[in-house]
This record gives sequence, C-alpha cells and structure tokens, in this order.
Amino acid sequence: DAGITQSPRHKVTETGTPVTLRCHQTENHRYMYWYRQDPGHGLRLIHYSYGVKDTDKGEVSDGYSVSRSKTEDFLLTLESATSSQTSVYFCAVTGDYGYTFGSGTRLTVV
Amino acid sequence: TQLLEQSPQFLSIQEGENLTVYCNSSSVFSSLQWYRQEPGEGPVLLVTVVTGGEVKKLKRLTFQFGDARKDSSLHITAAQPGDTGLYLCAGGTAAGNKLTFGGGTRVLVKP
Repeated sequence: DAGITQSPRHKVTETGTPVTLRCHQTENHRYMYWYRQDPGHGLRLIHYSYGVKDTDKGEVSDGYSVSRSKTEDFLLTLESATSSQTSVYFCAVTGDYGYTFGSGTRLTVV
Repeated sequence: TQLLEQSPQFLSIQEGENLTVYCNSSSVFSSLQWYRQEPGEGPVLLVTVVTGGEVKKLKRLTFQFGDARKDSSLHITAAQPGDTGLYLCAGGTAAGNKLTFGGGTRVLVKP
C-alpha cells in the first residue's frame, strides 16, 4: 500500500458546477497521475505531475485542470462539469514496481 | 498515439479450466505490465515484463512478452473463483513514466 487516499469516494454534482477531487499520498512519490475509467475504454490519462508545480496533459485533458502545491497532494478540478465527465477517477503514483492506484472516486454529473 | 487492444473483452469459464488473455499493439513498448482490478477498487499490479520473449510465472499465472515487444499474454491454469476480476495490460515507453492501458478483459470464474 503506497498510502494513497482519494476523496471523496462518491460525488453527485450538477452540470455546470466546478468539482475538485483530491489525491493524497504519504510516501513522497515524485510522479502522480489522474486517470478516468469508462466501460470499453480502460484507463485514460487525464493529467500527470512530475513534481511540485510541474504538471502536464494526458490524452483526455480537455475540461480538466490540476494543481500540485505540495508533494503529497494532487488535485483534479473539473471547471464546469458535464455529463460526459461522469466516470470513475483514479489517482496513481509510480513506485519501484509499477503504478499503485487509489481506490477511486465515482463521480456522477446530473 | 499508442494503442493496446485486449481480447477477449469478456471471458466466462468454469472453475478448473484454463484461460488466456491477449494484449496486442502495433507499437513497441519498453515494458508491459498486467494489473487485476476488483469492483470498487483500483487496479493492482501483478507483473512487469521488460525483455522480448520474457516469460514470468506467478503461481498459476503465466505472463509472456512477445519477442518484438508489441504483444503479451496472460495464461491462467486451473482457474479459481478468486481469479475473477478485470485484467488490464499497460505498456510503458522508455521516454517517460506514462503508461498506456488496454481496454481490459473481464474474467468470470464460476464455481
């Protein structure tokens, strides 16, 4: 267990509202990632971070922004939630033996 | 964009049977990882293979990386209900720490 905590675990929000998901890690990993998981699409990278204040886009970054002001926290923000962003969001860190994932946040946009 | 295709998408077998899951790409990867995911949880790493032709065994699971490092397979011998889950392959490149995931194979082992 790489000490990854995602919050909240579940959230229902309305279209057009901003939403922030939090990923917290306790083992000082340099790399952190946000993925979304949808049926038939596997896991798709949204954004990732390679250090404090160092972030880059993944393959499905439109409509999302991230921030990393501390090593342990990586925040994912949906600026104005849309129904297409209903998904399960996973945070991950890179360890010595591959990725370690959090337990996910199930987000529903109504 | 590098793509990984997994097949089949869904597999239902009886306890004691064998199964194979495939992961194919037209791109070369520096490493290939396999994960297993259970409902309500994140994927958990099973194995990483890095050498073309490499075979790794983890109890009843056998993982193989293709000679050209474009494909991989996961074989489960004498499957048990505890093997039920979503199996994901993921390819890594030498350029960085990003992984590309396949779409997943959902395996159901009936008692």
